[in-house]
Amino acid sequence: SQQGEEDPQALSIQEGENATMNCSYKTSINNLQWYRQNSGRGLVHLILIRSNEREKHSGRLRVTLDTSKKSSSLLITASRAADTASYFCATLSDSWGKLQFGAGTQVVVTP
Amino acid sequence: NAGVTQTPKFRVLKTGQSMTLLCAQDMNHEYMYWYRQDPGMGLRLIHYSVGEGTTAKGEVPDGYNVSRLKKQNFLLGLESAAPSQTSVYFCASSYDYGGTQYFGPGTRLLVL
Repeated sequence: SQQGEEDPQALSIQEGENATMNCSYKTSINNLQWYRQNSGRGLVHLILIRSNEREKHSGRLRVTLDTSKKSSSLLITASRAADTASYFCATLSDSWGKLQFGAGTQVVVTP
Repeated sequence: NAGVTQTPKFRVLKTGQSMTLLCAQDMNHEYMYWYRQDPGMGLRLIHYSVGEGTTAKGEVPDGYNVSRLKKQNFLLGLESAAPSQTSVYFCASSYDYGGTQYFGPGTRLLVL
């Protein structure tokens, strides 16, 4: 069963706008990771945030983690057409011990 | 440095046929994983390996077998393919437990 669930399932924005997607999970975690998947390709790692961290940045990406609410968010600022992809959160739970992926958020950025 | 590669890229099988998917990584990673990706389901872990000669079951192991005879290779076998195994299969590897995973480009499998 999926540990993480992304919201929304799909997001359509214009270039230059910010895109925000959320991930909720059920059990306590060791870390949470975000991945991107372009159509027909494998997943590419974006950011890993540990359970004792609250926020991380990487370029135009900002990830927050709220362990009390069991949720994380991924913000892409000043989006570009090249950001069009599916974005997945994956959690490393203390109980399962292996990464579990959500169903993903499909983001379309139009020029 | 090719990263993680998968062979073949695409395959069509008839029900009952067998095949082996090959994954190779050149990053000297101890950990390797096989996932399947189905629409609306995200990725689900089939089998994984924590080192040469070791394998373990993941979330959905039934109907699949694996082997890790060499550190750089992880093979996924389907002994008797079923239509329910139609999916996209991804291999991944990681340096450390629970850390960043590096994915291959995927193998698209269609079982008729």
